[in-house]
Amino acid sequence: GQNIDQPTEMTATEGAIVQINCTYQTSGFNGLFWYQQHAGEAPTFLSYNVLDGLEEKGRFSSFLSRSKGYSYLLLKELQMKDSASYLCAVRSNYGGSQGNLIFGKGTKLSVKP
Amino acid sequence: EPEVTQTPSHQVTQMGQEVILRCVPISNHLYFYWYRQILGQKVEFLVSFYNNEISEKSEIFDDQFSVERPDGSNFTLKIRSTKLEDSAMYFCASTREAGGGNTGELFFGEGSRLTVL
Repeated sequence: GQNIDQPTEMTATEGAIVQINCTYQTSGFNGLFWYQQHAGEAPTFLSYNVLDGLEEKGRFSSFLSRSKGYSYLLLKELQMKDSASYLCAVRSNYGGSQGNLIFGKGTKLSVKP
Repeated sequence: EPEVTQTPSHQVTQMGQEVILRCVPISNHLYFYWYRQILGQKVEFLVSFYNNEISEKSEIFDDQFSVERPDGSNFTLKIRSTKLEDSAMYFCASTREAGGGNTGELFFGEGSRLTVL
């Protein structure tokens, strides 16, 4: 089966750095994704890791360790607009799956002035 | 920029009624998905569709649900005999390659909020 864990809520200060962790257990791992979701809106893609290491994209970076079943999303120079839920998702190719995304419950990040 | 569009944005229905949620995926995409999100809960996979047939479905996607691509552009989700617990936001998504391919990106529509009374 699939299991994805991430903290429910986090709070950080504008201009600071925050790290959102995600641990997962899955069969047939084929990539880990981070999506951002503002309240009442659709998820939007942030990052994708399939190999171990750090992927950097502007203020956002994502790290993956497949052996540990662990990822984190790092947000730098936080802005008020970064207040949103951050969804960790895993893609599996187990059993011939076409790689549909399985989402965690999301981490609600509140950025304070 | 091309986008996935969904209609209606909000539908209110009585328990036991049938609803059809519509989606227009991005035109050159080949894989289509429905996800749902009950208020305050996680985004859950329902079904994926490729080459005019269901390629995968979750245990949520039982006989109450069906999907169809009636023409070259629309992708619909039909929910028969709606129940209170079907109240949720339903997201359509599309991608050119299975599961987002090498870029990993699913393109989501803005969602259709279904309220069952």
